Amino acid sequence: DVKVTQSSRYLVKRTGEKVFLECVQDMDHENMFWYRQDPGLGLRLIYFSYDVKMKEKGDIPEGYSVSREKKERFSLILESASTNQTSMYLCATKRAGGHNEQFFGPGTRLTVL
Amino acid sequence: DQQVKQNSPSLSVQEGRISILNCDYTNSMFDYFLWYKKYPAEGPTFLISISSIKDKNEDGRFTVFLNKSAKHLSLHIVPSQPGDSAVYFCAARRNAGGTSYGKLTFGQGTILTVHP
Repeated sequence: DVKVTQSSRYLVKRTGEKVFLECVQDMDHENMFWYRQDPGLGLRLIYFSYDVKMKEKGDIPEGYSVSREKKERFSLILESASTNQTSMYLCATKRAGGHNEQFFGPGTRLTVL
Repeated sequence: DQQVKQNSPSLSVQEGRISILNCDYTNSMFDYFLWYKKYPAEGPTFLISISSIKDKNEDGRFTVFLNKSAKHLSLHIVPSQPGDSAVYFCAARRNAGGTSYGKLTFGQGTILTVHP
């Protein structure tokens, strides 16, 4: 069974703070993804990584950065949190190649005040 | 530019009846489609998928239909159960060659409520 864990279920931060969201997977998957989920907008891809130290921008990368120093760990960083970054953040992993689905973590509900 | 659209924000169905969730897409480069189910305070879980070379895929109570000419897919749940109440997302993947890395484009989601 794939296990994807996220560092916090709920987080409250202040505007301007630097925020770190961590995702850890135990299935040796090559690809990892960060999404945010907002009502009426579905899931939107922020960044993804296909290998250690490799990253690519998704559809909405502005205001975010990522880090992948180890295969099992993928971090999302909000350099200076803003209220419009209040959202549900979801991490996902996928084995490279083929028709296989993404496996999601439980999500982090981030509120920026 | 919403390339994957779920035009019904919500659907309410009686237990035992059929639930039909719809999804439209615009990008003809999509070659693989998936449905995910999401309960509150949990991450989405994979439900069923279909390749663009097929028009139907069935798994127990869940069937996905793909109409490529209309760029439309639908998820049928028969019979619907109260435990099926959740948000359903359709997702599409562009041709897996090159550097797509299996990126998915998601629809907005449809909230399904199944009443006992």
